[in-house]
Amino acid sequence: NAGVTQTPKFQVLKTGQSMTLQCAQDMNHEYMSWYRQDPGMGLRLIHYSVGAGITDQGEVPNGYNVSRSTTEDFPLRLLSAAPSQTSVYFCASSHPPEQYFGPGTRLTVT
Amino acid sequence: GQQLNQSPQSMFIQEGEDVSMNCTSSSIFNTWLWYKQDPGEGPVLLIALYKAGELTSNGRLTAQFGITRKDSFLNISASIPSDVGIYFCAGQIVTGANNLFFGTGTRLTVIP
Repeated sequence: NAGVTQTPKFQVLKTGQSMTLQCAQDMNHEYMSWYRQDPGMGLRLIHYSVGAGITDQGEVPNGYNVSRSTTEDFPLRLLSAAPSQTSVYFCASSHPPEQYFGPGTRLTVT
Repeated sequence: GQQLNQSPQSMFIQEGEDVSMNCTSSSIFNTWLWYKQDPGEGPVLLIALYKAGELTSNGRLTAQFGITRKDSFLNISASIPSDVGIYFCAGQIVTGANNLFFGTGTRLTVIP
């Protein structure tokens, strides 16, 4: 039982590049979320999903897309990376309200 | 988003001392959660609180759901070096909903 896994662990992008952050969970949870963590700001919700095929925006959704084709996977896409998206990204899977976090992806956009 | 004020922002304590931190909000929450984050890792759930006035323990950790439902407290007794990390409170307004609002964290340093 791996819990929540995220790949990659580190990534450096140039401004304008696109990429997908992967997230998978093996706990059969319906709810999954993406957060970003910036110094002094805590965790802020980007997008979330309440089940396969259903997604919604969180507090800071601009510049990010998500989809949920299976219960297990919830990828986060950056279509055109900007320096303001430099952050640590956490995926979480939940049996509400208790959320279980992955190890994070540290993204730097230059 | 909702503002959760967490204090103190950082603490330096001697090993063996007790620690207290708190989280306050201008909104009423139905659920309070406390997480710990080690460097380079994701937050790990420590304690979940579901009822006003509830007092729950997890080993040396004790957390309380404030009577007003606008605050929560976390105490750590007899601190040890592995207590080092960032502690986050999180609150939920709508029971069963997915969204959590997080505090900005308390960074704890334990001096051996």
